[in-house]
This record gives sequence, C-alpha cells and structure tokens, in this order.
Amino acid sequence: AAGVIQSPRHLIKEKRETATLKCYPIPRHDTVYWYQQGPGQDPQFLISFYEKMQSDKGSIPDRFSAQQFSDYHSELNMSSLELGDSALYFCASSFTNSGNTIYFGEGSWLTVV
Amino acid sequence: RKEVEQDPGPFNVPEGATVAFNCTYSNSASQSFFWYRQDCRKEPKLLMSVYSSGNEDGRFTAQLNRASQYISLLIRDSKLSDSATYLCVVNIRGGSQGNLIFGKGTKLSVKP
Repeated sequence: AAGVIQSPRHLIKEKRETATLKCYPIPRHDTVYWYQQGPGQDPQFLISFYEKMQSDKGSIPDRFSAQQFSDYHSELNMSSLELGDSALYFCASSFTNSGNTIYFGEGSWLTVV
Repeated sequence: RKEVEQDPGPFNVPEGATVAFNCTYSNSASQSFFWYRQDCRKEPKLLMSVYSSGNEDGRFTAQLNRASQYISLLIRDSKLSDSATYLCVVNIRGGSQGNLIFGKGTKLSVKP
C-alpha cells in the first residue's frame, strides 16, 4: 500500500539559509501533520492541515511556514535556519472516516551547519 | 509537568520475559490513546490503539484507566525484535482537528 512520501530524505543547509521539505500524503487522506524530532527527543507537533486549510498549530517557529496544495501535497518552509533546527522532520497523514489513525512518513533529516 | 509522561527506561529484559510500560497523561479531555513503536532513526509506527475496555493484539495488551489517566502496555514473551522505543501518545481533540501529544518514550532492549 502507498505510504506517506517525504522528500528530500536528507538535507544539509548552512545557518541563515532556507529549506523546503515536501510531503505527499497517503492517497485520499484528508489531513496532513508536520512533526519535528530533535536528537533524543520525542516528536513535537508543528502544524496540521485538513482539506488544504490549516487546522491546528503547535510549536512551530515564526520562521517556519507550511501549506497544503490542491493536490494535497504539503510543504514545510524553513527560513533563517539555526543550528537548533537540525532534526528529523516527519510528515504524517490520516483520513477522518477511518478512525483518524495517523501514518508517518520516513522523515526528512535536516542538518544545519 | 509534561502532558504525557513515561518512564524512559531503558528496560533490559531477556527473551521470553514479560514487560510492562506505564504512561500517565494530564489532560482529562484527552480522547484517543495509542502506543507507537519507534526504531532508532526511523518513523513512529502505530502499534495499537488503546480502548477503555482494554485490547489485545497477539503478545501485546493495552489498558486505559480514564479515572486515573493512566495507560499501560504489556508485552508477553518478548522477542529480540521487540527492542525499540515505545511511545505513549494522546490525542486531545480527536477528529481531523486533533494533534498527537507524544511521551518521551520508553526504551526496551531485549537480550538473548
């Protein structure tokens, strides 16, 4: 079965640069979530979208923004990168009418140097 | 106080052992409860949902006590492949508007 697809899988950026992560949810899933997991930390919720509209916001820095497009893929844009932004970024998706079980992508590793 | 609290472990157990993990949550409005498994540097994967009546899936049993705001996971007959971090996860709002609150995870290491 198709899973959540994230790209790129690995990304190295310098401080103050900008990075964009992409996520393709499982087909027909109506909700997309972004999570950030720092080294040795639990995943922290950043933001979610339901039917292309922002539905919930967590601990997302102002330097970050996200959107969901008409084809349901989502992008997380991160600007003025800081060393502390180095983390594993997960995208996840769910379908409202199937118990809202959330499925995670394999994650995008961002390293800021 | 963190919203979802777990004993970080590590729990080091021999193959075949029974091991139990506990988790407490602070928000009484929490609606959905899950155990996720995460292998090192991999994505979290749903192990099982947790229901008030308790539920079992093979060697895994999950329990929920809403009055005490407490969730447990029991693993029987541990296998080497059970070695992972087990994340207690709570969804406060449920529905499509919800988001998952993760515990910091309990690390399990099953030894031969």
